[in-house]
Amino acid sequence: QITLKESGPTLVTPTQTLTLTCTFSGFSVSSSGVGVGWIRQPPGKPLECLALIFWDGDRRYSPSLKSRLTITKDTSKNQVVLTMTNMDPVDTATYFCAHRPRSNSWSYYFDYWGPGALVTVSS
Amino acid sequence: QSVLTQPPSVSGAPGQRITISCTGSSSNIGAGYEVHWYQQLPGAAPKLLIYDNNNRPSGVPDRFSGSKSGTSASLAISGLQAEDEADYYCQSFDNSLSDHVVFGGGTKVTVL
Repeated sequence: QITLKESGPTLVTPTQTLTLTCTFSGFSVSSSGVGVGWIRQPPGKPLECLALIFWDGDRRYSPSLKSRLTITKDTSKNQVVLTMTNMDPVDTATYFCAHRPRSNSWSYYFDYWGPGALVTVSS
Repeated sequence: QSVLTQPPSVSGAPGQRITISCTGSSSNIGAGYEVHWYQQLPGAAPKLLIYDNNNRPSGVPDRFSGSKSGTSASLAISGLQAEDEADYYCQSFDNSLSDHVVFGGGTKVTVL
């Protein structure tokens, strides 16, 4: 049974760096083909994929946010960490982490999601 | 502005069949990347509804079906039920600028 859960601060002040941790169980992020992604959703707005890390350490970032994002994995702790620098009120959103199952190179989707963590950026 | 374009809203009466379109381009759907669909109920995380264009995960009713052609895809819901009222998102992969996962802008389905 795969589960994921996001953790981190609920309130961040502008210009701060946000660090979010995804703690998961039921799979290993070192298993071939597997990945973990971070997706966010501002209130009333659509989903946006921020970053995705694969079993082999390969990373993919949203082009518009790439300069502010870093995604890392800790296989021994079953965790994936996302850092986002220079936070702004427009970054207020619910942040989800999700599991990407093993699939071919033309297929990238998320079959299990965490419940999400609301992060508010305000002074 | 989302990379994949969906209609903001679609509505139908109970029992009807509705479809939601998802329009992409030659750098995502048209490049051959598979399309996936999610259902999101208010206040909840998205739930995978269709993967690889037309496959349903275990537990998803066969009232939900997907298709893909050229640079577009669509989700069909037949026998519409009150519990289907939710937001629906299409998702694929894009190889322009840098390879990354892309979502549609979402479609709100209302059951009349």
